[in-house]
Amino acid sequence: EDKVVQSPLSLVVHEGDTVTLNCSYEVTNFRSLLWYKQEKKAPTFLFMLTSSGIEKKSGRLSSILDKKELFSILNITATQTGDSAVYLCAALLGSQGNLIFGKGTKLSVKP
Amino acid sequence: DTGVSQNPRHKITKRGQNVTFRCDPISEHNRLYWYRQTLGQGPEFLTYFQNEAQLEKSRLLSDRFSAERPKGSFSTLEIQRTEQGDSAMYLCASSHFSGNTIYFGEGSWLTVV
Repeated sequence: EDKVVQSPLSLVVHEGDTVTLNCSYEVTNFRSLLWYKQEKKAPTFLFMLTSSGIEKKSGRLSSILDKKELFSILNITATQTGDSAVYLCAALLGSQGNLIFGKGTKLSVKP
Repeated sequence: DTGVSQNPRHKITKRGQNVTFRCDPISEHNRLYWYRQTLGQGPEFLTYFQNEAQLEKSRLLSDRFSAERPKGSFSTLEIQRTEQGDSAMYLCASSHFSGNTIYFGEGSWLTVV
């Protein structure tokens, strides 16, 4: 059965801290790994990773994929209260383009 | 706004009633997906369309659920004889044929009382 596992499930940090969110996957017909941010509404797209070892960056966020070990990490540096959200990891399957989501990591950034 | 649009955004219904949600995808996207999300869980796949053809349905989609996309543009998701366990957020998403980067709508919250 296809599955995506995220850890930790929740995390509380203070502003300015750096955090690393983990995502491992076991799926058939893997195509890409996607990260989304969700703040009490629909998930908003952050990154799509298809190749191993190539870091993607957007401001204070960065992510990398390891297709050999079947995991990805999402890093957030110099966290801000506005980073508080649930971060979802999803594996994009090749045939239909369907996404298999993890349960998410709930990040709380305290002032 | 050219994003994925869903309505209604919130629906409260009595158990046993039927409800219908509508999704308007991004206009040039020919793939449309429905997902369901409950508190503390990631979205779970329900079904997807390529143009007007429904190509896959999850085992989560019981006989009380039906989805249509009659003209390959907007889609509807109907739940018949609602049960309390149907309470969730129903998310619609769309993408290009390539399936790269799936964009989500704001979701439709269903509460069955």
